[in-house]
Amino acid sequence: KQEVTQIPAALSVPEGENLVLNCSFTDSAIYNLQWFRQDPGKGLTSLLLIQSSQREQTSGRLNASLDKSSGRSTLYIAASQPGDSATYLCAVLPSGSARQLTFGSGTQLTVLP
Amino acid sequence: EAGVAQSPRYKIIEKRQSVAFWCNPISGHATLYWYQQILGQGPKLLIQFQNNGVVDDSQLPKDRFSAERLKGVDSTLKIQPAKLEDSAVYLCASSLTAYEQYFGPGTRLTVT
Repeated sequence: KQEVTQIPAALSVPEGENLVLNCSFTDSAIYNLQWFRQDPGKGLTSLLLIQSSQREQTSGRLNASLDKSSGRSTLYIAASQPGDSATYLCAVLPSGSARQLTFGSGTQLTVLP
Repeated sequence: EAGVAQSPRYKIIEKRQSVAFWCNPISGHATLYWYQQILGQGPKLLIQFQNNGVVDDSQLPKDRFSAERLKGVDSTLKIQPAKLEDSAVYLCASSLTAYEQYFGPGTRLTVT
């Protein structure tokens, strides 16, 4: 059974810092990995999706990497801003017939002005 | 393109009462998912529909939860009777392919 772990559970940084969020998964047989942002009481906004054949994806100040063999992904946020404060979730989609996402518990990020 | 719509956005009920949530997926998306997200946890899949058929409902507490998707479009998730531990955000998602899901804003349920 796939398990997804995100460390740390919470992170507080001053504005302007670069930061890294971590995601690990136990089964490397994945089709893709996705990073989501969730604001309090809201739904999920997809940030980046990395196919299993890819090593990284970039969007603006965000860069996500994937090392399938070691079961790890990182989300790098450059020059953090207070507006980046949210919970960040990673989710993996398995290869094979069971196309169901398994989510981590998220990292709650607070960027202090 | 309109996103996934959900209503209501917030609901407060007492335990043992019933409640229903509605979801309208992105037009043309054949697959629809309902997730339960308890505070501090990641979303957990409750049920997956392909058109109006159930693909997976293995994690749906069928003694109190039910879901339907009429005509393969809108879907309703019902809880009857509600328990305190049902307090959560209920997320609906839809997908055109098996590879990427689009999420609605969620319904926050508080059971007192």
